[in-house]
Amino acid sequence: GENVEQHPSTLSVQEGDSAVIKCTYSDSASNYFPWYKQELGKGPQLIIDIRSNVGEKKDQRIAVTLNKTAKHFSLHITETQPEDSAVYFCAATRGGSARQLTFGSGTQLTVLP
Amino acid sequence: NAGVTQTPKFQVLKTGQSMTLQCAQDMNHNSMYWYRQDPGMGLRLIYYSASEGTTDKGEVPNGYNVSRLNKREFSLRLESAAPSQTSVYFCASSEAVSGGTYFGPGTRLTVT
Repeated sequence: GENVEQHPSTLSVQEGDSAVIKCTYSDSASNYFPWYKQELGKGPQLIIDIRSNVGEKKDQRIAVTLNKTAKHFSLHITETQPEDSAVYFCAATRGGSARQLTFGSGTQLTVLP
Repeated sequence: NAGVTQTPKFQVLKTGQSMTLQCAQDMNHNSMYWYRQDPGMGLRLIYYSASEGTTDKGEVPNGYNVSRLNKREFSLRLESAAPSQTSVYFCASSEAVSGGTYFGPGTRLTVT
């Protein structure tokens, strides 16, 4: 089955700096890669996703890049703010009749004021 | 539009007790899922339902059963709870082939 590895496990940045979180996946048939933000005591919230026919996607301060050849994808957050502090998860799936996601182990992002 | 709702929010069980976690979605999604989240780990898929009337095992199905009651509701049952099932349980839903997967607020379960 699919295996997703996520790095780093913790990341601290100064407010206004950029943050980058990286994930690798093992199943070359995976074709959908979402990113989730989870605040303490809450469920994961979908923040951005990318499909395998696209190399990059942006949404305001958040961007995701995908390298299918190397089987890795990354989340980029620019101009970080204290409210960006949370745990971020990457995930991958090959889709099909349902969208069974395989998750990375998470990155605790702390934005220091 | 409430999205995905789960009940209860918290539950404490003794070893051997049974319980059912309830989940409902109002987004008219075909697919529904149950995940568990343990400290320091990502979410792991327990069971899923691609569409009403179907259910399939995920990565960690042992000790659980599910029922897709109708298009809106998907329940998870623990027949004989064990301490290893102490976890936070999340229900989610999605369209089968497009759109994102959306999660509920979770149920925090402790088995003593």
